[in-house]
Amino acid sequence: GAVVSQHPSWVICKSGTSVKIECRSLDFQATTMFWYRQFPKQSLMLMATSNEGSKATYEQGVEKDKFLINHASLTLSTLTVTSAHPEDSSFYICSARGTNQGDTQYFGPGTRLTVL
Amino acid sequence: EDKVVQSPLSLVVHEGDTVTLNCSYEVTNFRSLLWYKQEKKAPTFLFMLTSSGIEKKSGRLSSILDKKELSSILNITATQTGDSAIYLCAARYNNNDMRFGAGTRLTVKP
Repeated sequence: GAVVSQHPSWVICKSGTSVKIECRSLDFQATTMFWYRQFPKQSLMLMATSNEGSKATYEQGVEKDKFLINHASLTLSTLTVTSAHPEDSSFYICSARGTNQGDTQYFGPGTRLTVL
Repeated sequence: EDKVVQSPLSLVVHEGDTVTLNCSYEVTNFRSLLWYKQEKKAPTFLFMLTSSGIEKKSGRLSSILDKKELSSILNITATQTGDSAIYLCAARYNNNDMRFGAGTRLTVKP
C-alpha cells in the first residue's frame, strides 16, 4: 500500500516550452503533497507544499509563477515548469501524505527534466 | 521497468535497538546507490555507494552495497529517538537517471 507514482519518468524539452509533471497517490488519498528538486552534491530542496483544493505554499526563493503547482484532487498534484530553461534541468520528486498515514510521507520515484 | 523497492515500509523500535533497512533495485546501467534521511524540510544526504562490499560509516549509521544481490542495507546501531525519520534510498543509473524508493518510516520510542 501507499504507492506514489510520477509521470513522466524523464522528459526532454526545448528551452522556452512548458513541461507538466504529474504526481499520483495510487492507493490512498493524499491531503498534502510535496515537491522537491535535486541540486548538486545530491542535496534535495523542498520547493512547495500543496494541500488539496488550496493554493500551494512555496519555499523562499522558489518562483511560483515559474513552477506552477496544482493539487486539484486527493490523488493528483501537478508541477508545471513554465518557459523552461537549461538551468531548470534537474530531478524533481514528489511525496504524498494522507490522513490515514499519520505523518508519513511516501515518495514518488522522481522525474528527470532535461531542457535543451 | 526500472524500480527501487524499500523494506520494511515502517518500523517501530525502542531506543538502543539496532535496525537494518533494506533497499533493492532493478535498473539498467547502475551507477550508484544513495541514502537520505527525511526529517524536516527536505531529505538530507547520508551516503553514496558505488562499490560492492565496501562499508560506509558515519557515527552509528553504516551502509553497504551488494551489486550481486542488487541491494543495499542501512544499519543504525544504538538507536535514539532522534533517528526517527523516513529513510530513502535512490538508485542512480544510465547517464544521469535516478529512481527513488518509497521510503522506510522509522520510529524510535524512548
